[in-house]
Amino acid sequence: GAVVSQHPSRVICKSGTSVKIECRSLDFQATTMFWYRQFPKQSLMLMATSNEGSKATYEQGVEKDKFLINHASLTLSTLTVTSAHPEDSSFYICSARGTGSGEQYFGPGTRLTVT
Amino acid sequence: DQQVKQNSPSLSVQEGRISILNCDYTNSMFDYFLWYKKYPAEGPTFLISISSIKDKNEDGRFTVFLNKSAKHLSLHIVPSQPGDSAVYFCAATANNDMRFGAGTRLTVKP
Repeated sequence: GAVVSQHPSRVICKSGTSVKIECRSLDFQATTMFWYRQFPKQSLMLMATSNEGSKATYEQGVEKDKFLINHASLTLSTLTVTSAHPEDSSFYICSARGTGSGEQYFGPGTRLTVT
Repeated sequence: DQQVKQNSPSLSVQEGRISILNCDYTNSMFDYFLWYKKYPAEGPTFLISISSIKDKNEDGRFTVFLNKSAKHLSLHIVPSQPGDSAVYFCAATANNDMRFGAGTRLTVKP
C-alpha cells in the first residue's frame, strides 16, 4: 500500500521560533496533500488542503501567515509553524491523495511541543 | 511499514443490515484504538474508541471489538443507514504516536 512519511516525528521548540514539518509520499505521486491538527478528545481538524504547484486552501479560522504550507513537488509538502507558541503544541498529521485516486493515506504524525 | 492495515478498500451493505469493518495491526505496543469517519471534502471525525484493556465498546449503533491476541479490531454498525456511507479509518496509538489505516469505503444501499 501507499506510504506517507512525516519528519520529524517529535519536535520540541522554544516559544517564538519556527518549526518545519515535512510530509512525503514515498511510493506514489500526491497531487493533493492535507494537513490536520489533532485536538483533545481525539477530533481531527482539517487545517488546509494543498495541491502541487498552487497555493494551499486554508480552512476557516486557520491563520495562513502562521501555518505556512508549501507543496512544491508531487511527493513533498511542508508545514511551517511560524513564531510558535505553547498553544500550538499539538499533534499534526498529514495525508496524501494520489492522481486519479480517491483514497487518502495518512502519515504517522508529528508531535510538536512548544516550551 | 504499515503498522495498521485495513485490507478491504470497500464494502457495500444493504440498509438495515450489519456493516463490519476490519482493521489489523502489528505493533503490540498500541494501547488505544480509534475509528474515524470521513465524508468527501471534510476532515475525519472521531467515531468511537477502545482502550487495550477492554475488548468491547458500544455507542448506539456502533460497537468496536478488540481482539488483542489476534491484533485485530472491528467496527460493527447495526442497523446500517445510507447516511453511514463514508470512508472509515482505524487508528492506533502508542506513546503519543498515532498510525492510521488506509481506510475502507462503506456504501450503504437503500
